[in-house]
Amino acid sequence: NAGVMQNPRHLVRRRGQEARLRCSPMKGHSHVYWYRQLPEEGLKFMVYLQKENIIDESGMPKERFSAEFPKEGPSILRIQQVVRGDSAAYFCASSLRQVGETQYFGPGTRLLVL
Amino acid sequence: AQSVTQLDSHVSVSEGTPVLLRCNYSSSYSPSLFWYVQHPNKGLQLLLKYTSAATLVKGINGFEAEFKKSETSFHLTKPSAHMSDAAEYFCVVSEGYGGSQGNLIFGKGTKLSVKP
Repeated sequence: NAGVMQNPRHLVRRRGQEARLRCSPMKGHSHVYWYRQLPEEGLKFMVYLQKENIIDESGMPKERFSAEFPKEGPSILRIQQVVRGDSAAYFCASSLRQVGETQYFGPGTRLLVL
Repeated sequence: AQSVTQLDSHVSVSEGTPVLLRCNYSSSYSPSLFWYVQHPNKGLQLLLKYTSAATLVKGINGFEAEFKKSETSFHLTKPSAHMSDAAEYFCVVSEGYGGSQGNLIFGKGTKLSVKP
């Protein structure tokens, strides 16, 4: 049973470009979470999705950031018009069910904005 | 709201000596508590999890943690450190019950160094 997959592992973008980060949950998991880790900090929750639904986006910046988890295919975290402050590690996690369930993390995507 | 405080940002121990990483939490409910480990430039690996069963939780790689409600603590321990334990450790609480409350609240992390 493959773990949570994220790609790309490293992504370099120039200011103003778009970044697309992909996450494939563990087999059988229908709950996906995105977290951001800024340098020297812990992870901060961004968004929680189930298939085709955003359940909680309270941690998402109001502008430029969006997430989806379509019926088929991976979950996508999209950052439009990136700025240097978006440089961070973005981690995806998945769980079988929701509250209190163990979340299994992917290896992360490290985004660098030049 | 729930929160997690990791009391030490850095801990340094010698190989073969005990490890203690401290964590305090605040919660309005009976929380689920976790410890995750992150090796440099890697993802997070679950060490152990508490969900209101036994208060002493055993995890992987010889780690364990004890849930103490009276002290609102969930400290992580290991009897004998190994060089491969050098990493960053995160204490985590699961927020709330029901509805959309599924996200994890992370402490700021404790970097563990192990000296030969």
